[in-house]
Amino acid sequence: GAVVSQHPSRVICKSGTSVKIECRSLDFQATTMFWYRQFPKQSLMLMATSNEGSKATYEQGVEKDKFLINHASLTLSTLTVTSAHPEDSSFYICSALPVRDTQYFGPGTRLTVL
Amino acid sequence: DAKTTQPPSMDCAEGRAANLPCNHSTISGNEYVYWYRQIHSQGPQYIIHGLKNNETNEMASLIITEDRKSSTLILPHATLRDTAVYYCIGLALPNTGNQFYFGTGTSLTVIP
Repeated sequence: GAVVSQHPSRVICKSGTSVKIECRSLDFQATTMFWYRQFPKQSLMLMATSNEGSKATYEQGVEKDKFLINHASLTLSTLTVTSAHPEDSSFYICSALPVRDTQYFGPGTRLTVL
Repeated sequence: DAKTTQPPSMDCAEGRAANLPCNHSTISGNEYVYWYRQIHSQGPQYIIHGLKNNETNEMASLIITEDRKSSTLILPHATLRDTAVYYCIGLALPNTGNQFYFGTGTSLTVIP
């Protein structure tokens, strides 16, 4: 149980385009999901907390207009990187939080912006 | 949430116990200690968590000192597949959002 998927697993895009990453909880409902970013050889950095049916809460220094988060259902949250640039290239990881349980993480999405 | 400190790297011989320490001297009474690990280019995997009592599951054991200022994750018989970065995280429950703030973790290398 407690499986979280992400799609796509890898994406390469041109600078200036937008990329959408999906995070799904496959066998449980999650009112809260989280988005992290990880640069090479660094730890995970929390970007935002996504609550179903409400606006996401962004960590300090994360541009909400650049990283659009939508949590429209109890099993799906999406992260859209708008007008992506090479510096946005990173490993993006989501997690989902079942009720009275801990966070379960997705496998990650490798974004490369050319 | 408590700041945690871990050694940056450790080696362990295959088949031996791996003991990974974590200091969390600022931990408060309602903060749990969580352990996750991340194998290269994958999402973190939950291992175990505890409040003040020692805990054991099919993956590992967690030993928390009586003063709760430190803990040790024990992998009883390390295998090559246990090579990963191990993160110790302090989290107060209940809290406002259950956010995890990852430190730098310990890179464990299991040696054949």
